[in-house]
Amino acid sequence: KAGVTQTPRYLIKTRGQQVTLSCSPISGHRSVSWYQQTPGQGLQFLFEYFSETQRNKGNFPGRFSGRQFSNSRSEMNVSTLELGDSALYLCASSLEAGGETQYFGPGTRLLVL
Amino acid sequence: GQSLEQPSEVTAVEGAIVQINCTYQTSGFYGLSWYQQHDGGAPTFLSYNGLDGLEETGRFSSFLSRSDSYGYLLLQELQMKDSASYFCAVRDFMNSGGYQKVTFGIGTKLQVIP
Repeated sequence: KAGVTQTPRYLIKTRGQQVTLSCSPISGHRSVSWYQQTPGQGLQFLFEYFSETQRNKGNFPGRFSGRQFSNSRSEMNVSTLELGDSALYLCASSLEAGGETQYFGPGTRLLVL
Repeated sequence: GQSLEQPSEVTAVEGAIVQINCTYQTSGFYGLSWYQQHDGGAPTFLSYNGLDGLEETGRFSSFLSRSDSYGYLLLQELQMKDSASYFCAVRDFMNSGGYQKVTFGIGTKLQVIP
């Protein structure tokens, strides 16, 4: 089976812009979770989608949003980018919502200038 | 609130055994997971403990004590390729909204030396 894929792998944006990241889960996995990883804050949970619905969420502002499509692919959007949004954004898929075994993609490294 | 504590760095000798501890403070605890992440790579799942006790997967074992809010990851017969960061993670309830939240520890950087 193909693993979790994320596009793009690298991205450079400027403050105030918005960005959309994409994640394709492992075939058959219906849950997609998004994480932000930075050296100072570590891995932080953004949200989890299952069956096209946001099932769980972390403590991020409303500028961070996402959605999931009927084929389980997911997108994450960050609006009005800030310098502090520079990070590695990881998505992870699992069979079901709340699945404890998560398979991570390679991540999208976002740099905000 | 939710918090996990684990050592920031551990150094061990090739062939030896190392234990990485994780203590947590959460609400509505479901279980403790462990992930490995090499520099520049993505986290990979190692093990999950939903119940008290020891789970063994090859050279790696993980232990959970729910009454002590404590778990550990045990790596045996250390190899150079085990040099990586190791994260514990819990799924629990947020304080409001009925949502669940996954919280990761800050990670333990393991250096295996010859």
